Amino acid sequence: AQSVTQPDIHITVSEGASLELRCNYSYGATPYLFWYVQSPGQGLQLLLKYFSGDTLVQGIKGFEAEFKRSQSSFNLRKPSVHWSDAAEYFCAVVPDTGRRALTFGSGTRLQVQP
Amino acid sequence: EAQVTQNPRYLITVTGKKLTVTCSQNMNHEYMSWYRQDPGLGLRQIYYSMNVEVTDKGDVPEGYKVSRKEKRNFPLILESPSPNQTSLYFCASSLLFTLDTGELFFGEGSRLTVL
Repeated sequence: AQSVTQPDIHITVSEGASLELRCNYSYGATPYLFWYVQSPGQGLQLLLKYFSGDTLVQGIKGFEAEFKRSQSSFNLRKPSVHWSDAAEYFCAVVPDTGRRALTFGSGTRLQVQP
Repeated sequence: EAQVTQNPRYLITVTGKKLTVTCSQNMNHEYMSWYRQDPGLGLRQIYYSMNVEVTDKGDVPEGYKVSRKEKRNFPLILESPSPNQTSLYFCASSLLFTLDTGELFFGEGSRLTVL
């Protein structure tokens, strides 16, 4: 079955450390790929997206993600984490199935230690 | 201010008592959608609408109804709520029904508890 997998449910990093959140998808063609962030008590906000072209995409708040077709991955990275980055992060795809929907992964909760 | 507004934000109800969660967007978006968020499951789509009078089922439509009579509004109706519909609900909209822009704009969520 087609799916989006975020293997890490919960990650804790120290402030100032680097961050990588993993996302894998299982679709035949290259889907549209996204990362969203959900701060406590809030709706989701788009961090970045990949449709085609350069496989390294830049987003808001200093985040970037790299699409790797060979690994079916779209991992999110940030060189230096700030305490305000503590939130839940969702990878999402628009699959090539014809249905107009974003399919979300189960999310990764990021905790930042001082 | 561009926004998606959901009401109510919090609701506790009892099994079988019909309720409606309203959603309104002020961005003239074609596409609107409802998701439910449950721990460990991420967001799952309930219904979506590509334009006025055009709606379709998502992944988990059972027990829900929607309507799209006006472009700005997309209410979610629970005709006979059950405890397994206790969840956090999000309404979202996007400029184009094709989702080519990629960005969904989300409301702040409605936390529903069914006793």
